[in-house]
Amino acid sequence: DTGVSQNPRHKITKRGQNVTFRCDPISEHNRLYWYRQTLGQGPEFLTYFQNEAQLEKSRLLSDRFSAERPKGSFSTLEIQRTEQGDSAMYLCASSYLGLAGYEQYFGPGTRLTVT
Amino acid sequence: DQQVKQNSPSLSVQEGRISILNCDYTNSMFDYFLWYKKYPAEGPTFLISISSIKDKNEDGRFTVFLNKSAKHLSLHIVPSQPGDSAVYFCAASLAGGTSYGKLTFGQGTILTVHP
Repeated sequence: DTGVSQNPRHKITKRGQNVTFRCDPISEHNRLYWYRQTLGQGPEFLTYFQNEAQLEKSRLLSDRFSAERPKGSFSTLEIQRTEQGDSAMYLCASSYLGLAGYEQYFGPGTRLTVT
Repeated sequence: DQQVKQNSPSLSVQEGRISILNCDYTNSMFDYFLWYKKYPAEGPTFLISISSIKDKNEDGRFTVFLNKSAKHLSLHIVPSQPGDSAVYFCAASLAGGTSYGKLTFGQGTILTVHP
């Protein structure tokens, strides 16, 4: 399977704890995106990387959130001091800059529940 | 500020009939539009896209129409099949700048195709 993978698939944590999610993109893709999806809404952009450079961060991404993509391969998204409002599906997507289209390929997501 | 809107939360169609899903956008700078399909517990799957220089793109049973003057696009599925039952998201992207490739999604429409 050469698709986008995300781990873990589910995470339950207590308020105030830190959590970290991992995304492994399609190997030849140089762009990696993080989105957040809540019930009844479409995915909302959080941040994206081109290779290892983080090029844009949404205003949704408070300073409790940090993302990295060392060596331009996998990426991690860390949430510090989690709050109940952080409960959501966190989606990762990848694409290849240079194609005529803008298609992004999504992983299965990590569902976070903060109790 | 919801720049991409799907005003119909749900649509129910009989197998074999046409399904028409609609999407409106407000940002005239968007120049690439995509449709994604999402099954429960999976990430969104790319379906079909269209550039703003076109008004129609067809791929098998799926056709996307773009009306730039009305800032409206639609997805036609003909004939509809029970396996098409899913949540459908439209998304839009800007051509250039740092936001190039970043997707803005609508809220989604739940399509149910009855046998």
